[in-house]
Amino acid sequence: NAGVMQNPRHLVRRRGQEARLRCSPMKGHSHVYWYRQLPEEGLKFMVYLQKENIIDESGMPKERFSAEFPKEGPSILRIQQVVRGDSAAYFCASSPPPSETQYFGPGTRLLVL
Amino acid sequence: AQSVTQPDIHITVSEGASLELRCNYSYGATPYLFWYVQSPGQGLQLLLKYFSGDTLVQGIKGFEAEFKRSQSSFNLRKPSVHWSDAAEYFCAVGTSYGKLTFGQGTILTVHP
Repeated sequence: NAGVMQNPRHLVRRRGQEARLRCSPMKGHSHVYWYRQLPEEGLKFMVYLQKENIIDESGMPKERFSAEFPKEGPSILRIQQVVRGDSAAYFCASSPPPSETQYFGPGTRLLVL
Repeated sequence: AQSVTQPDIHITVSEGASLELRCNYSYGATPYLFWYVQSPGQGLQLLLKYFSGDTLVQGIKGFEAEFKRSQSSFNLRKPSVHWSDAAEYFCAVGTSYGKLTFGQGTILTVHP
């Protein structure tokens, strides 16, 4: 059983471009969580999704950030018009229902030039 | 709102010595508690978790943690540290639907 997969592992963008981060949960997991780890900081919750539904987006910045988890395909975290402050590691985690233990992917390291 | 405090930013121990990493949490209900480990450039690996029952939980790689409700603590221990344990350790508290709140992390350095 493959673990949580994230791609790309590293992403470089220039200011103003868009970043798309993908997350494929473990087989049988229908809950996806996104976290951000800024340099020298711990992980901060961003959003919690189930298939086709956003359950909790209390940690998402109000502008430029969006997330989806369609019926088919991976979950996508989208950052529009990136700024240098968006440079961070973005981790996806998944869990089976009921959502207790989360399993983390390897992360996507985003660098904004 | 829940919160987690890891008082020690950096700990250094000698290989073979015992280890204790501290974690204090704040949460209004019965907490779900976790310890994760992160090696440089890697994702997080679950070491152990506490949901209910026995307050001393065993995890992988010889780690254990003890839940003390009266002290709001969930400290991680290992009787004898190996050089491969050098990494960053995160304590987290979870809600009933899974949202995790992490501490700042403790970096563990192991001297030979």
